[in-house]
Amino acid sequence: DAGVIQSPRHEVTEMGQEVTLRCKPISGHNSLFWYRQTMMRGLELLIYFNNNVPIDDSGMPEDRFSAKMPNASFSTLKIQPSEPRDSAVYFCASTQGHSNQPQHFGDGTRLSIL
Amino acid sequence: GENVEQHPSTLSVQEGDSAVIKCTYSDSASNYFPWYKQELGKRPQLIIDIRSNVGEKKDQRIAVTLNKTAKHFSLHITETQPEDSAVYFCAARDDKIIFGKGTRLHILP
Repeated sequence: DAGVIQSPRHEVTEMGQEVTLRCKPISGHNSLFWYRQTMMRGLELLIYFNNNVPIDDSGMPEDRFSAKMPNASFSTLKIQPSEPRDSAVYFCASTQGHSNQPQHFGDGTRLSIL
Repeated sequence: GENVEQHPSTLSVQEGDSAVIKCTYSDSASNYFPWYKQELGKRPQLIIDIRSNVGEKKDQRIAVTLNKTAKHFSLHITETQPEDSAVYFCAARDDKIIFGKGTRLHILP
């Protein structure tokens, strides 16, 4: 089991640039979650998908953020245009089936916007 | 929606002593309560979880208790060791999982 795979592990870019974060969930998991982690706000849920369909995007900060899941094995989180306050660690997690199952986290993407 | 409060935010414990972290939740429909440990620069990892039909669960030095009536649950770590130093997150889940703000646990030599 390869676990949840995120790329890139680190991203440094200038403000105004488009940033795309990628996630491959564990095979067979049908729910996928995107989180943002900062010292100030902790671990925030941005959006989650169930069977590739976005269920709740109420945590997405603003229209500059968008997420897609075109198939069961791939999801992207895009920020356009990026701003310095978007600097954080972004985690993707997946889980299987019912709501009382544990989430498995990827190693995260450390994003720095200069 | 669900709201999870976690206390304390920082906890220092002498090696060998016990550590207790407490969480409360607001949504009575939540039925799953995992605890995660996150070491510096790493991803959160599940260490123990409890479902709403159980009041207590133990795994070696780690135990979790759940009081559904009061809507609170706690993590207990006994005989603490240096490698227990990390940030611990509680969470509550109905359809989506909501995390507490975390507790930074320091094990003092």
